Amino acid sequence: QVTLRESGPALVKPTQTLTLTCTFSGFSLSTSGMCVSWIRQSPGKALEWLARIDWDGDEYYSTSLATRLTISKDTSKDQVVLTMTNMDPVDTATYYCARVDIRYDSSGRFYVSGYFDYWGQGTLVTVSS
Amino acid sequence: EVVMTQSPATLSVSPGERATLSCRASESVSSKLAWYQQKPGQAPRLLIYGASTRATGIPTRFSGSGSGTEFTLTISSLQSEDFAVYFCQQYDNWPPYTFGQGTKLEIK
Repeated sequence: QVTLRESGPALVKPTQTLTLTCTFSGFSLSTSGMCVSWIRQSPGKALEWLARIDWDGDEYYSTSLATRLTISKDTSKDQVVLTMTNMDPVDTATYYCARVDIRYDSSGRFYVSGYFDYWGQGTLVTVSS
Repeated sequence: EVVMTQSPATLSVSPGERATLSCRASESVSSKLAWYQQKPGQAPRLLIYGASTRATGIPTRFSGSGSGTEFTLTISSLQSEDFAVYFCQQYDNWPPYTFGQGTKLEIK
């Protein structure tokens, strides 16, 4: 059974750095093809993809937020960490971590799909002084 | 960046009727399109991937179609639990993965 759970501060002040942790179970990020992403949702608004980290350590970022984001993994703890610097009230949102589905072709070779098959319940982060 | 546009923003449909939701991409995304359902206070749930393949456990009343830039999610006979917000997402041209702004399906 795959589960993901986000944890971190509910409130941060403007200009501070946010650190969020995604703790997962039911799969391993050391398995070839496994990837985890962070996605956020401002109150009443659309979903915004932030970052992805792959089993091999490759990292990918939102082009508009790349200078502020760092994603990392601790395979031994089954955790993925997202840091976002210089927080602003517009960053107030629910932050989700999600697993990227892995598919296999008829030859048994894997490929990373790009859509999200399991999500955490999300954690609301408010940015306010 | 591929811009995803969903229509309508709100759709009012009676239980038992059919609902048709649209998603348009600003450029071709082939069939790399997913649909999600989100209920208040919950995380999104994957419904459809590859534009038309139902995810595990998704009822057959949900179906997806389209390719390139035009996509449709159809719910054939609405049940009470289907009233929610629906998002589309492209995963062809990334980073970034991009989502539509959502369609709220409400009870008429």
